[in-house]
Amino acid sequence: ETGVTQTPRHLVMGMTNKKSLKCEQHLGHNAMYWYKQSAKKPLELMFVYSLEERVENNSVPSRFSPECPNSSHLFLHLHTLQPEDSALYLCASSRGTSGGRNEQFFGPGTRLTVL
Amino acid sequence: QKEVEQDPGPLSVPEGAIVSLNCTYSNSAFQYFMWYRQYSRKGPELLMYTYSSGNKEDGRFTAQVDKSSKYISLFIRDSQPSDSATYLCALAPPTGGSYIPTFGRGTSLIVHP
Repeated sequence: ETGVTQTPRHLVMGMTNKKSLKCEQHLGHNAMYWYKQSAKKPLELMFVYSLEERVENNSVPSRFSPECPNSSHLFLHLHTLQPEDSALYLCASSRGTSGGRNEQFFGPGTRLTVL
Repeated sequence: QKEVEQDPGPLSVPEGAIVSLNCTYSNSAFQYFMWYRQYSRKGPELLMYTYSSGNKEDGRFTAQVDKSSKYISLFIRDSQPSDSATYLCALAPPTGGSYIPTFGRGTSLIVHP
């Protein structure tokens, strides 16, 4: 595997379900991100981890719970979601979160549908 | 006013046309300017990266930054149907601050044969 991988690629869940999204980066990066992408809207930054410490949490509802057990893996735990949470969830990684050229590399995303 | 403005399109052009995609921004602290390309059902991939003002060329693609006008552009020459995708601009502040970029909402480009 190379780059940033995400599983599952598609997920359909009911509002009472609990599920988790997984992201893995094979780039040796120290920072990982979760974004939400909805139609015709800018990417919404949800969470940022740098060296496994959460450095940013953009007022995301508590029904989304991130976990970063090491610098290569990132999870997004989902519970009691709402239909408006249906979107493409993108994981990204970068060398760090500050200092110089530091572009993000994205995974293919998980298409989430909440019924 | 949003930090980054980008017309969502769609922009439809014939094959071979020169395409101009643009973003405007309000934060003069931005120093890093990026263009990502996102195909349908895929994640964004970095296409072009520029620092500060000026032009950068890579094959059929040219990125242009005008900091005085707070305006950035991506030009695609001899556009191909395979260029059909959504193009997102992303801007980031300089060294020393939190790098995390601010994205535009993307412009959908359709190049028809």
